[in-house]
Amino acid sequence: GAGVSQSPSNKVTEKGKDVELRCDPISGHTALYWYRQRLGQGLEFLIYFQGNSAPDKSGLPSDRFSAERTGESVSTLTIQRTQQEDSAVYLCASSLAGLRAGELFFGEGSRLTVL
Amino acid sequence: AQSVTQLDSQVPVFEEAPVELRCNYSSSVSVYLFWYVQYPNQGLQLLLKYLSGSTLVESINGFEAEFNKSQTSFHLRKPSVHISDTAEYFCAVLKAGNMLTFGGGTRLMVKP
Repeated sequence: GAGVSQSPSNKVTEKGKDVELRCDPISGHTALYWYRQRLGQGLEFLIYFQGNSAPDKSGLPSDRFSAERTGESVSTLTIQRTQQEDSAVYLCASSLAGLRAGELFFGEGSRLTVL
Repeated sequence: AQSVTQLDSQVPVFEEAPVELRCNYSSSVSVYLFWYVQYPNQGLQLLLKYLSGSTLVESINGFEAEFNKSQTSFHLRKPSVHISDTAEYFCAVLKAGNMLTFGGGTRLMVKP
């Protein structure tokens, strides 16, 4: 498909386990964002990648969270030693640069449940 | 860094009534402004945007927003809402060369 693809769509894990979430952005999109959305809450910014620039990691809530992006393609968000408060929907979005930079295309999200 | 404030976390309104969802931003330089919508159990999607030109911008489903530079606002309005407009609405601001910053969101609840 031509949209932003995220996997897995649902993940149930036990407290203390590591999880890896994947995002395939739209081809040609230089910018990629990760957000967290808890049930009934707004968007919590996690990390921003733009081309080959150093990522903005200012939103990562703790050192258990990390993210990587290979060039201008796939990104993975890793959560180590998961806690129950990590339960949320993790959203990925991508965009072009320049005047189109504010037009984000969102994936369907990865719903994480930590038991 | 710019910030975005959505003053109302929830706005209940009756069907066919007018509504205004408020958005204010802080920036000393020119910005681009956006509204996104998230319908229940769906992903976020762009509703409308202001880049330049006319300060009044419209969406295809009857919403409009007006960029007011002096008041640093970009309020979203609709003269008559439908049940189907029930959703979470997010205001966002982009400063050239920077990343998009979202407000906290406003939950619009349209009641019959």
